[in-house]
Amino acid sequence: DQQVKQNSPSLSVQEGRISILNCDYTNSMFDYFLWYKKYPAEGPTFLISISSIKDKNEDGRFTVFLNKSAKHLSLHIVPSQPGDSAVYFCAAEPTGGGNKLTFGTGTQLKVEL
Amino acid sequence: EAQVTQNPRYLITVTGKKLTVTCSQNMNHEYMSWYRQDPGLGLRQIYYSMNVEVTDKGDVPEGYKVSRKEKRNFPLILESPSPNQTSLYFCASSLFRAQPQHFGDGTRLSIL
Repeated sequence: DQQVKQNSPSLSVQEGRISILNCDYTNSMFDYFLWYKKYPAEGPTFLISISSIKDKNEDGRFTVFLNKSAKHLSLHIVPSQPGDSAVYFCAAEPTGGGNKLTFGTGTQLKVEL
Repeated sequence: EAQVTQNPRYLITVTGKKLTVTCSQNMNHEYMSWYRQDPGLGLRQIYYSMNVEVTDKGDVPEGYKVSRKEKRNFPLILESPSPNQTSLYFCASSLFRAQPQHFGDGTRLSIL
């Protein structure tokens, strides 16, 4: 049972435009959400996170939105740059779950010139 | 430099031959985890540890063992590896829960 879902395996966007990556979850116990970025032959690197007490968190070009009622979060990248081309994973951690982190299957973002 | 170091980076071995993948972090982090990444399945947590001598199962613990005798080290042990454990493995650490995890660069294991 996939508790964190990224339904778009890939996304292509033009440089300078907005990239929107989506993630849905089913477990209502998740209270901390993160986005990671991964380049080939490297480990995932942390991008941005959001606690369930917020509905938005911003860091430079990256904004994460959380809609708890819909169990949906999204990552907005504005403006998109060629260096943003990577696989993006969303992840979620449950309340009282120690360090138990559940990842989505990832979305390959390609930013074209 | 703050980092998570995994060794080896690549290993090809045969079914049944015990192997250990080491993981070490230099950030004095409390929490450490192991993940495997497989095509179409994303990253799945194998085991995690909240402190020395405290470990717990993730989503796919079968066929793996871990130990946390020191804060900085969290080795992953495959007692009798099988071909379905061929995968890309990542170790990660974080200071506390609800904190971003720092990942190593991965270990690619091939079990023939």
